Amino acid sequence: QSALTQPASVSGSPGQSITISCTGTSSDVGGYNYVSWYQQHPGKAPKLLFYDVYNRPSGVSDRFSGSKSGNTASLTISGLQAEDGADYYCSSYTSSYTLVFGGGTKVTVL
Amino acid sequence: QLQLQESGPGLVKPSETLSLTCSVSGGSVSSSNFYWGWIRQPPGKGLEWIGSIFYSGTTYYNPSLKSRVTVSLDTSKNSVSLKLNSVIVADTAVYYCARPPRPSIFDAFDIWGQGTMVTVSS
Repeated sequence: QSALTQPASVSGSPGQSITISCTGTSSDVGGYNYVSWYQQHPGKAPKLLFYDVYNRPSGVSDRFSGSKSGNTASLTISGLQAEDGADYYCSSYTSSYTLVFGGGTKVTVL
Repeated sequence: QLQLQESGPGLVKPSETLSLTCSVSGGSVSSSNFYWGWIRQPPGKGLEWIGSIFYSGTTYYNPSLKSRVTVSLDTSKNSVSLKLNSVIVADTAVYYCARPPRPSIFDAFDIWGQGTMVTVSS
């Protein structure tokens, strides 16, 4: 299975909004509403931000929002803050009863 | 509060078997309808799903690893095990165990262990 496609890096200034894309196929992202997003700071385990595209676990800031259109899912961070600087990963359920992750996006807060 | 702790050898020789245990506290691995998963991350690289197991024992594996991997539950020790056979240098990674946020899904993980680094080297 091929990894989902994410931009290698995205940057923004404090207070701005940024969007990270996650592109797959009709066999994964496009075929199911089973896309998740994770935030990972260096040396830490990933933190779940969204699952099933839109479901935000308790404790996750509402500055984060998830969406999907066709074969592409997106994570938007509004009101960018210094602590948002991290790696972000998407994942999706696939038609082969497996999971696939994206390659990851490094977010830099300028 | 559910907590996960991975343990196992930090160094494994090429061609040998990597064996890790995920000890679960604050909950039971046989909790109805929950999946348990293993994910790994090579140094400086992204996340890779290894496999998941349902509380009933049904397993799902990454096709690229399926021929070498076994995930199992040990209800007597309340733990989840990972075995990876015939390891190569490319299997060097931090290995995480994790559990989804609600029953009957395995497509997301909200409770993670701290991870354990495994190096494959002679």
